[in-house]
Amino acid sequence: DTGVSQDPRHKITKRGQNVTFRCDPISEHNRLYWYRQTLGQGPEFLTYFQNEAQLEKSRLLSDRFSAERPKGSFSTLEIQRTEQGDSAMYLCASSTWDRAAPSNTEAFFGQGTRLTVV
Amino acid sequence: AQKVTQAQTEISVVEKEDVTLDCVYETRDTTYYLFWYKQPPSGELVFLIRRNSFDEQNEISGRYSWNFQKSTSSFNFTITASQVVDSAVYFCALSEVTDKLIFGTGTRLQVFP
Repeated sequence: DTGVSQDPRHKITKRGQNVTFRCDPISEHNRLYWYRQTLGQGPEFLTYFQNEAQLEKSRLLSDRFSAERPKGSFSTLEIQRTEQGDSAMYLCASSTWDRAAPSNTEAFFGQGTRLTVV
Repeated sequence: AQKVTQAQTEISVVEKEDVTLDCVYETRDTTYYLFWYKQPPSGELVFLIRRNSFDEQNEISGRYSWNFQKSTSSFNFTITASQVVDSAVYFCALSEVTDKLIFGTGTRLQVFP
């Protein structure tokens, strides 16, 4: 499978626990994005990386959220001290960006990690 | 400010009917990109089309067609002869310089046999 993969697909956790999600992008893609989607809404941007550099973080990303992409390949998103409001689908996407010909190529999405905080 | 509005929350049609999904966007940039994604029940967002702001030509791909009108800031999506497999949530999205996607709230399309 050469698409974007996310692990786990589902996570149920108790309020106050920490959780970590993993995203493996398409191998040749240098950009990686995290989005959050709540029921009945469109995905909302959280953060993105170009290679290992985190270039932008949304104001939605509170201090309890941290994302890494240490070697410019896979990425992790950690939520500390989870709250019920964190329950959502967390989507990862990847794309290519070429400095020589910058244009927004399409982002390919994984199937998401559905988090339920009880 | 960037914004995407999909005013139709849910549309129901019978198979073989044509259906148009509306999308209106707001942006201050002159260079931007518009997208449509499909989200079936499995949850994965499936890319359908990307259009840049300098290309107002309409596009047709099989039963799908897109109408981009800068004058009305709209990027509408039409499915001709709808099929049950078209049932999904469809999202319109906008990106500017930073290329993060700004999504609308989606339109749920139900196609009945």
